[in-house]
Amino acid sequence: DAGVTQSPTHLIKTRGQQVTLRCSPKSGHDTVSWYQQALGQGPQFIFQYYEEEERQRGNFPDRFSGHQFPNYSSELNVNALLLGDSALYLCASSMFYEQYFGPGTRLTVT
Amino acid sequence: ELKVEQNPLFLSMQEGKNYTIYCNYSTTSDRLYWYRQDPGKSLESLFVLLSNGAVKQEGRLMASLDTKARLSTLHITAAVHDLSATYFCAVLKTSGSRLTFGEGTQLTVNP
Repeated sequence: DAGVTQSPTHLIKTRGQQVTLRCSPKSGHDTVSWYQQALGQGPQFIFQYYEEEERQRGNFPDRFSGHQFPNYSSELNVNALLLGDSALYLCASSMFYEQYFGPGTRLTVT
Repeated sequence: ELKVEQNPLFLSMQEGKNYTIYCNYSTTSDRLYWYRQDPGKSLESLFVLLSNGAVKQEGRLMASLDTKARLSTLHITAAVHDLSATYFCAVLKTSGSRLTFGEGTQLTVNP
């Protein structure tokens, strides 16, 4: 079992650009959540996908959007990037109470 | 809104000493998680606490949960340098819901 995988590992973008991050959940897990972790802070919940629908959303602007595919993998899209979007983006897959985090994508916005 | 508070936020301790990290949360919840994070890395799961009075131990770390007090503790026994990391507690309000994290405790163990 490969566990939760994320791609890419690192990404550098310029302000105003758009970015897509990808996540494949642990085998058997049907729910994917995305978190943003700024330097020196705890992870903040962005949104959660279940059965290809956004089930919950945190306090993030509409620039942050996502998608879940029939195989449960997920994408996080961020439009009109701001310097403040620089962070580690973590994907967590879950089923019931199990929660597993991927290795994360480090996004740097210049 | 569920709030999770950890203290201390920074902890510098000597090898061989004992210490406790505290995690308070504001509303009832189903599960409490402890994670370890090394610089630049993702979250490593340490413990999942499922019910009142739950206690789990792994090596020099022991976690406990008091749901009536809405308090979890992470106790470090005879600290070693390898335990240096940031430790997060996180609360899951109900099955299928989001994790709410504390601010993290940055632990440094000095020789």
